[in-house]
Amino acid sequence: SQTIHQWPATLVQPVGSPLSLECTVEGTSNPNLYWYRQAAGRGLQLLFYSVGIGQISSEVPQNLSASRPQDRQFILSSKKLLLSDSGFYLCAWSPTYNEQFFGPGTRLTVL
Amino acid sequence: TQLLEQSPQFLSIQEGENLTVYCNSSSVFSSLQWYRQEPGEGPVLLVTVVTGGEVKKLKRLTFQFGDARKDSSLHITAAQPGDTGLYLCAGARAGGTSYGKLTFGQGTILTVHP
Repeated sequence: SQTIHQWPATLVQPVGSPLSLECTVEGTSNPNLYWYRQAAGRGLQLLFYSVGIGQISSEVPQNLSASRPQDRQFILSSKKLLLSDSGFYLCAWSPTYNEQFFGPGTRLTVL
Repeated sequence: TQLLEQSPQFLSIQEGENLTVYCNSSSVFSSLQWYRQEPGEGPVLLVTVVTGGEVKKLKRLTFQFGDARKDSSLHITAAQPGDTGLYLCAGARAGGTSYGKLTFGQGTILTVHP
């Protein structure tokens, strides 16, 4: 069966510090991968998606970047965090172009 | 830009009551998903509907996809406290370059009181 992991689970970082969030998927190959940010108790905003190694598409201009160095690894990064980067970050994978399956999320607080 | 309007945003009911959550759009989706999310966790997929007019049942939950594939509803019968959570609808964008990107509704926070 397939599983998706995210770490860290929680992170508190000062403004201006770098960021690296990692997502890995097990039990499948060549998945479509997605990064979302979620405001408290609300809908999800798609940040990046990837259909293959090294292929990244950005949905919204922002202070973040993404990379896919391996087939089942998706990384969300920032060189300098802003206060507005705080939020709940979710990684998802999809075997098709319909449903997506989400990881447990990372709660990021920028102080 | 495809938008998905979800309503109501908040729902507070007593155990045993019925409820319906709606998702509406002016755009056509190739499929629509419903998710349930607990605080501090990732959303969990409940159902995917693909065909216009499709109805799917999951125990006390009934999901319907509109005939034109622009809207959907989630009906819960005899709600229980365990149904409490954030319910999200998400539409898969149609088109060859959509790459499975989902458009999410704003969510419905459901609280079922014992």
